[in-house]
Amino acid sequence: LAKTTQPISMDSYEGQEVNITCSHNNIATNDYITWYQQFPSQGPRFIIQGYKTKVTNEVASLFIPADRKSSTLSLPRVSLSDTAVYYCLVGDRGGKLIFGQGTELSVKP
Amino acid sequence: GAGVSQSPSNKVTEKGKDVELRCDPISGHTALYWYRQSLGQGLEFLIYFQGNSAPDKSGLPSDRFSAERTGGSVSTLTIQRTQQEDSAVYLCASSLRVSSSGRRDEQFFGPGTRLTVL
Repeated sequence: LAKTTQPISMDSYEGQEVNITCSHNNIATNDYITWYQQFPSQGPRFIIQGYKTKVTNEVASLFIPADRKSSTLSLPRVSLSDTAVYYCLVGDRGGKLIFGQGTELSVKP
Repeated sequence: GAGVSQSPSNKVTEKGKDVELRCDPISGHTALYWYRQSLGQGLEFLIYFQGNSAPDKSGLPSDRFSAERTGGSVSTLTIQRTQQEDSAVYLCASSLRVSSSGRRDEQFFGPGTRLTVL
């Protein structure tokens, strides 16, 4: 069974860049890596998805090394509203969906 | 409706009772997922449907849990003989498809049902 590992929590200040890394040692060969954001009392919300190298959209970048055993979500210039829990999601080689345990990001003024 | 809806939003039950949780996915979404989120914990994948079929039920925690989907739309998660450890938020999500060439379709989550077993 795949296991994903993320830091439990991170602190940052407004305007800083935040990088959150997820380790996924048994990701399926053809599966993509997806990141979600969750605010309290809400369901998770899609942020970004990638397969390898780098993907960028209007809110984040995703860096994936060649071995794809990890990925790093990069949030540029965070604001207070980015305070949330961030999850990585991968499919393992058995076909199961594995969410990471989540990284609680706290952005301070 | 514009998004995924779940009902009830809150459910308090007594240990040993059965509960049914409902999920209405976004219209046209063929894939539907159930997750469980215990207090302060991450998301635990339970089961997914492609259409009306569930290819993999091994994520369900025990045989007290079952799920069905009819008409390719509404899904019901049933927990029989509830136990206190079943207390959690049960989240449903839907996506247009499961995936295409490995790329997972974006999942849209509902607000969840908070289940409390006394």
